[in-house]
Amino acid sequence: ETGVTQSPTHLIKTRGQQVTLRCSSQSGHNTVSWYQQALGQGPQFIFQYYREEENGRGNFPPRFSGLQFPNYSSELNVNALELDDSALYLCASSATRGGGDHKEQYFGPGTRLTVT
Amino acid sequence: AQKITQTQPGMFVQEKEAVTLDCTYDTSDQSYGLFWYKQPSSGEMIFLIYQGSYDEQNATEGRYSLNFQKARKSANLVISASQLGDSAMYFCAMREGLNTGNQFYFGTGTSLTVIP
Repeated sequence: ETGVTQSPTHLIKTRGQQVTLRCSSQSGHNTVSWYQQALGQGPQFIFQYYREEENGRGNFPPRFSGLQFPNYSSELNVNALELDDSALYLCASSATRGGGDHKEQYFGPGTRLTVT
Repeated sequence: AQKITQTQPGMFVQEKEAVTLDCTYDTSDQSYGLFWYKQPSSGEMIFLIYQGSYDEQNATEGRYSLNFQKARKSANLVISASQLGDSAMYFCAMREGLNTGNQFYFGTGTSLTVIP
């Protein structure tokens, strides 16, 4: 089985620019969640996608948006980048189904975004 | 109120000794899951152990065990026979409800250093 992959691994952007981060979910998983992890903090939930629709959102502004594709891969888009958006962005995939394995949320290696 | 509280920013342990990492949680749900993840400097979140709110026995996974005290709302991680490779950040997390697609709430983490 393939694990969760993310691209790119590192990215440097300038304030005001836009960025797209990508995530391929683990084989058999239909749900993707995105997290932002600032330096020295725990991950914070951004949003989750299930069946190509947003299925829950944390306390993040609308300039954070996403997509999920029919193959369950996902994109995180951030517009009008701010310095505080510098963080590690983690993608996690899981299988949403009745009676599923409660341990099934596996994380990718993350994308480290630096905004200058 | 914080959903997950980890009060130990940093911990040191001698190699081959046991160490306990503290975690308390806050929820009004009857059904929830508690998780511990290890995050090495590479950034990837590695699943360690899971405890369901209805599980009567403490979870164990090899050298990891979870000391679950439901009335006190605590879920401490015990690592036995520490190894140098255990040096990393450790995060406690909670998922409310039983749906594997629900979001995780993370604590701020504990940095563990294993001393030779």
